[in-house]
Amino acid sequence: GENVEQHPSTLSVQEGDSAVIKCTYSDSASNYFPWYKQELGKGPQLIIDIRSNVGEKKDQRIAVTLNKTAKHFSLHITETQPEDSAVYFCAASGSMNSGYSTLTFGKGTMLLVSP
Amino acid sequence: DSGVTQTPKHLITATGQRVTLRCSPRSGDLSVYWYQQSLDQGLQFLIQYYNGEERAKGNILERFSAQQFPDLHSELNLSSLELGDSALYFCASSQRGLAGNEQFFGPGTRLTVL
Repeated sequence: GENVEQHPSTLSVQEGDSAVIKCTYSDSASNYFPWYKQELGKGPQLIIDIRSNVGEKKDQRIAVTLNKTAKHFSLHITETQPEDSAVYFCAASGSMNSGYSTLTFGKGTMLLVSP
Repeated sequence: DSGVTQTPKHLITATGQRVTLRCSPRSGDLSVYWYQQSLDQGLQFLIQYYNGEERAKGNILERFSAQQFPDLHSELNLSSLELGDSALYFCASSQRGLAGNEQFFGPGTRLTVL
């Protein structure tokens, strides 16, 4: 099955700096890669996603890049703000034995943005 | 607010007991997923339903079962509970449950087994 590795596990930055979180996946058939933000006491919130036919996608201060050859994708947050502090999860849509695909998540990155 | 609702928010019970967690998907979504989140295992996919039928199974224990009802709400039943079952349980929903469909998560149920 699919395996997703996520690094780093924790990331501390100063407000205004950029933050980068990297993930690798194992299943070359995976074609959908969402990123979720989870704040304390809340469920994961979808913040951006990318599909295998696109190399990069941007939404305001957030961007995601995908390298299918290397099987890795990254989340880039620019001009970080204290409210960006949360746990971020990457995921990949891999294949289940039933033939249907579902999401496999990385272990998460705790991002702390200091004022 | 994702539009996915889960009840109860917190549940405290004893080993050996059985509990039921409930999820209502976003309006218009036909597929429901259940995930378990623990500190050491992260977010683990348990099971998926689409329009009342089981579609995919992940790392779900035999002591756990789920179903999706005609009104599309879903229940996750956990029985013979063990200390290690203590975790956050999330429900997510998507429009048709196909690969690449966005999944929207509920606020979760925190289960504590004493």
